[in-house]
Amino acid sequence: EVQLVESGGGLVKPGGSLRLSCAASGFTFSNYAMNWVRQAAGKGLEWVSYIDSSTSHTYYADSVAGRFTISRDNARNSLDLQMDRLRAEDTAVYYCARDGGGSYSPNDYWGQGTLVTVS
Amino acid sequence: DIQMTQSPSSLSASVGDRVTITCRASQSVSTYLNWYQHKPGKAPNLLIYATSSLQSEVPSRFSGSGSGTDFTLTISSLQPEDFATYYCQQTYILPYTFGQGTDLEVK
Repeated sequence: EVQLVESGGGLVKPGGSLRLSCAASGFTFSNYAMNWVRQAAGKGLEWVSYIDSSTSHTYYADSVAGRFTISRDNARNSLDLQMDRLRAEDTAVYYCARDGGGSYSPNDYWGQGTLVTVS
Repeated sequence: DIQMTQSPSSLSASVGDRVTITCRASQSVSTYLNWYQHKPGKAPNLLIYATSSLQSEVPSRFSGSGSGTDFTLTISSLQPEDFATYYCQQTYILPYTFGQGTDLEVK
């Protein structure tokens, strides 16, 4: 069974840092690209960042570029999101999501999310 | 970035109704369009990928169509468990943008 479990959320002051992790199991992690997606309270889903299966390519939403860093450890089946210079508007539930692969790259599995509060 | 616009933003319907949600892209995304269902406190759930392909274990009352810039998600006969928020997402080009969501509520 595919499982994605996020951790590392919490309360942080503006300008602070936080590191989120996503533990993957039930599939060959190294074969799949991964994403972070967030949802602020009362708002819709916002794509945040993408990393390909080999860590060669990473992409970021303009809203987080230069402040967030996505990384992965294929040996540990783990995906991370280092968040620096946090702002109030980064407050959200953060989800990791598997890129289902193929041409269309749907997010076919998601974690339950971890809440980040910047205040 | 490609902007995705859903309509309506909210929709009231009854069990058994046929419901259609539309999604428009600011430029062509070919058929690189996915639909998700999201309930409060839960992980989003992939319903449809590549415009019209039904994800495994998703009921056949869900269907998708379209191409280019205009897409639709149809629920043929609403069930009680279908009341949720629905999102479209383009995966044609990064950033993989989502629509703003459509809240499907009980009439």
